[in-house]
Amino acid sequence: NAGVMQNPRHLVRRRGQEARLRCSPMKGHSHVYWYRQLPEEGLKFMVYLQKENIIDESGMPKERFSAEFPKEGPSILRIQQVVRGDSAAYFCASSRGQFNQPQHFGDGTRLSIL
Amino acid sequence: GENVEQHPSTLSVQEGDSAVIKCTYSDSASNYFPWYKQELGKRPQLIIDIRSNVGEKKDQRIAVTLNKTAKHFSLHITETQPEDSAVYFCAPNNAGNMLTFGGGTRLMVKP
Repeated sequence: NAGVMQNPRHLVRRRGQEARLRCSPMKGHSHVYWYRQLPEEGLKFMVYLQKENIIDESGMPKERFSAEFPKEGPSILRIQQVVRGDSAAYFCASSRGQFNQPQHFGDGTRLSIL
Repeated sequence: GENVEQHPSTLSVQEGDSAVIKCTYSDSASNYFPWYKQELGKRPQLIIDIRSNVGEKKDQRIAVTLNKTAKHFSLHITETQPEDSAVYFCAPNNAGNMLTFGGGTRLMVKP
């Protein structure tokens, strides 16, 4: 029973490039969440999605960041024109339902900006 | 938005001793209270959770207690072992279903 799958595990980009992070939820889970973690800090909520719907994007920066969870395929977190400050670990979590359901995390994508 | 604080930020105990980490939150609408363990370079791992209709929950050496009136919940680890060394995060879940993480507690268990 595979857990939450994220890829790539490590991603290196130069300033100005685009970064695409992918997340496949656990089997049977239809709710996906993205969080960002800076070194020595807790995780910060970014966005909550269900299939083809963004439920809550209150944690997403207004510019350059977008997320989707299409009908088929993984959820994608996209960062355009990356800057040094985007360097972080990006974690995806999934849950079975909406209310008070445990969120299980993937191994994360470590994004480094040169 | 939710304001979450954890205390202490670091905790050092001798192997076999107990460890207690406290989490306070501000949003009275929060109704789900998980604790995560994160080892260096790894993903956060759910270790125990409690819902607002329960005051205490135990799973072997780990327990969580909840005081909704005072808006705090605590993680208790008994008979600590070196492999318990990690950073622990509380992450209350508000009505909007997002987790708000505390700043973390670094637990060091000395053999």
